[in-house]
Amino acid sequence: NAGVTQTPKFRVLKTGQSMTLLCAQDMNHEYMYWYRQDPGMGLRLIHYSVGEGTTAKGEVPDGYNVSRLKKQNFLLGLESAAPSQTSVYFCASSYSWQGETQYFGPGTRLLVL
Amino acid sequence: KQEVTQIPAALSVPEGENLVLNCSFTDSAIYNLQWFRQDPGKGLTSLLLIQSSQREQTSGRLNASLDKSSGRSTLYIAASQPGDSATYLCAVGSNTGKLIFGQGTTLQVKP
Repeated sequence: NAGVTQTPKFRVLKTGQSMTLLCAQDMNHEYMYWYRQDPGMGLRLIHYSVGEGTTAKGEVPDGYNVSRLKKQNFLLGLESAAPSQTSVYFCASSYSWQGETQYFGPGTRLLVL
Repeated sequence: KQEVTQIPAALSVPEGENLVLNCSFTDSAIYNLQWFRQDPGKGLTSLLLIQSSQREQTSGRLNASLDKSSGRSTLYIAASQPGDSATYLCAVGSNTGKLIFGQGTTLQVKP
């Protein structure tokens, strides 16, 4: 059981470039989440999904898009990267929406120059 | 708007000490509260989950308590070890399923 995996681990982008972060989970979880972690700001929810084919906005969704075409995968896209998107991105998943713990991936460190 | 605060931001103790980490939240209408551990450069690992109807949860040397009426939770670590050095995050869950995180307490346990 790999749990939650994320690719890539680290990436450097130039302003205006695009990229996709991939999250995969092998626990058959319905719910998946994307967070960003910034110094002094804690973890903030970007987007989430309550099942295959569904997505919803979290606390800080601007500048990001997501897709959940398969239950086990949750993609986070940056169409035109900005320096303000420099952060560590974490994906998480859970079995249910309420009352269950979330399992986190190891994170993707993104630097936008 | 729910706000979660963790005090202190950093803590250094000698090995063997018992210690308490604090978490406070502004809105008592929570669904659950979770404590996570984060090692440098790593993801989060769930330590304890307390449902809103519970008062405490225990796992090994860890004990977490919840007082909804006062908006507080504590994480008690008994007989601390150098391997306990990490950042500890608390997160409050609402009935919408979303988690609101505190900024964490970075713990250093010195041998």
